[in-house]
Formats: sequence, C-alpha cells, structure tokens
Amino acid sequence: DTEVTQTPKHLVMGMTNKKSLKCEQHMGHRAMYWYKQKAKKPPELMFVYSYEKLSINESVPSRFSPECPNSSLLNLHLHALQPEDSALYLCASSQDAREGSYEQYFGPGTRLTVT
Amino acid sequence: AQSVTQLDSQVPVFEEAPVELRCNYSSSVSVYLFWYVQYPNQGLQLLLKYLSGSTLVKGINGFEAEFNKSQTSFHLRKPSVHISDTAEYFCAVTARQLTFGSGTQLTVLP
Repeated sequence: DTEVTQTPKHLVMGMTNKKSLKCEQHMGHRAMYWYKQKAKKPPELMFVYSYEKLSINESVPSRFSPECPNSSLLNLHLHALQPEDSALYLCASSQDAREGSYEQYFGPGTRLTVT
Repeated sequence: AQSVTQLDSQVPVFEEAPVELRCNYSSSVSVYLFWYVQYPNQGLQLLLKYLSGSTLVKGINGFEAEFNKSQTSFHLRKPSVHISDTAEYFCAVTARQLTFGSGTQLTVLP
C-alpha cells in the first residue's frame, strides 16, 4: 500500500471557525509533511515531522497548528484563518526525513476555502 | 542553498509528438533530482528520480530524464505524448528537503 489519504477533500470555513485536516499513511514511513499549494504554483513546505517530532516549521503563522498523534497520522488544526489561506493543502510522507534520497508520497490534498 | 529553474511555464504539443520539459538546478552540495506530475485536482505523483549511477533514468508512463552534471540540468522527455499526459510537471531537487521548480504546464492537443 503506497497510499496517503487525506480528509476532507473539500473544506469551506469562516474566519472564526476551528477545523482540522487529517492525513494518514500505512507505509511505515517515519517522516510526514504538510505543504500549501496556491493555484498555478509549486507546493510550499509548511511543517516536517520526523519520528513524530516537529523538526521543521517554515515560519508558518500560529493559526496553523500541526499535530502528529502517532507515526501513521498527521493533523493540521486551523483557527482564525484569513481568505489568503485558501489553497490546496497537501500531506506527504517518506521513509526518513534525514535522508533526501527517499521519495515523498503525496496525498490528494484538501481544497480549503476561507470565506 | 539549492534552487530549481523550469525554463518553460507552458508547453503545448500535438498528440503523438515528442516533448522535452527543461529543468536546471543549482546547489552547493550533491543533490538528488526528481520529476513529479500533478493532474488537475490531484496530489503529486513521482514520475522518476535520479540518485546516482546511470545518467539516463526511466520512469513511469514512458517518460525518461537525463542528468547532466556539467550543465546542471535534468530534462524530462517523452518520445510520443498522449492526451492523458496533459498535466503540471514539477522538477525538484533535494539534499534533505524538496525544493520545487515553478512548474511546466504540458498541454497535449488533438
């Protein structure tokens, strides 16, 4: 199984809402990633978890809060978002974040719209 | 630091014609090179990767790429494209974290 799943597929939320994005993989990978992708742009790295510990935070605003409950699950908690946060949020996993030769497997993404 | 330049933002090509998508990179350390494809409203899928060894790398869906260290390039090629190849293609490099190019929209015309 080389699949990364993400839920929900689409999410519309107001600026005062709290919501969460979920990501799951069962490949035994020990690295998980959140990316943000705006239309017609490449993915931008937000967070990296390595062995369930946050190892990279690319200066992401605190209204985005990641969580890694176990080695298979990754959440992204959203609170007080702005309309400019509307984007496709991609989750990815790889065998080990410390080694760049391991390819990243991407989920299908959550299309987030902030109204 | 590392960076990736995809020289063409859009490439239109007729069905069954060959195509080349160009990618140049720069890095102060040795890197690994990847090509990903993104179909509309989907995530990214790995087409192929270069880690070491033979500079000609074959990937899925009939794509191949050639690593050229002296020209710091990793161009993607396919000898005959299909309508279904219409997608966004991203070149990426990594020493540890992926750095993506800006993407090339390949549109295959009937």
